[in-house]
Amino acid sequence: AQTVTQSQPEMSVQEAETVTLSCTYDTSENNYYLFWYKQPPSRQMILVIRQEAYKQQNATENRFSVNFQKAAKSFSLKISDSQLGDTAMYFCAFMGDEAGGTSYGKLTFGQGTILTVHP
Amino acid sequence: GAVVSQHPSRVICKSGTSVKIECRSLDFQATTMFWYRQFPKQSLMLMATSNEGSKATYEQGVEKDKFLINHASLTLSTLTVTSAHPEDSSFYICSARTGIRGTNEKLFFGSGTQLSVL
Repeated sequence: AQTVTQSQPEMSVQEAETVTLSCTYDTSENNYYLFWYKQPPSRQMILVIRQEAYKQQNATENRFSVNFQKAAKSFSLKISDSQLGDTAMYFCAFMGDEAGGTSYGKLTFGQGTILTVHP
Repeated sequence: GAVVSQHPSRVICKSGTSVKIECRSLDFQATTMFWYRQFPKQSLMLMATSNEGSKATYEQGVEKDKFLINHASLTLSTLTVTSAHPEDSSFYICSARTGIRGTNEKLFFGSGTQLSVL
């Protein structure tokens, strides 16, 4: 079974600063997707960024970028120029992409990291 | 953008009663829908996967007779918590998948339902 581990229960950062959230995962599959989701106090799940495992290039979305290290099974999220609206719980997630695999098409979430951006 | 509507957003019920939660894709057809459960400040745990017109697939440890899932159309899936008890109190979230795997597949989440069983 796949596991996703976020070792930082809580993080804080000053507005306009940069923060990195850690995520590691364990899988025997070679084809998969990795995601970072944001869950603000409204509890609506919002996709932040997505990475295909077969792509070596790290995904970026405006102020959000990832450091994907496939061999180390690491997938960290960097938030640049942090804004007050970035305050939320962030989840790292894994989705298998091998037909017949136990995680095919299903998201497995990490424990989450509560990020607080201070003014 | 694509929207998944989930209702009700909040429900309070008495112990022993049943509660139905609806998850509806408003502007796309969802071949697969997922149901998650989330306790306060914890992760989302997948309960079951439902495909239109077929029986839901439940994750290990989830009681299928307690959490009834129906996916009768490409736009609607329902979760019924039968004979609810206080320990069933939780935040339930649905998600819907559309598109073709490997190309334009996307996943959208509903806004969640807070269930409180007295």
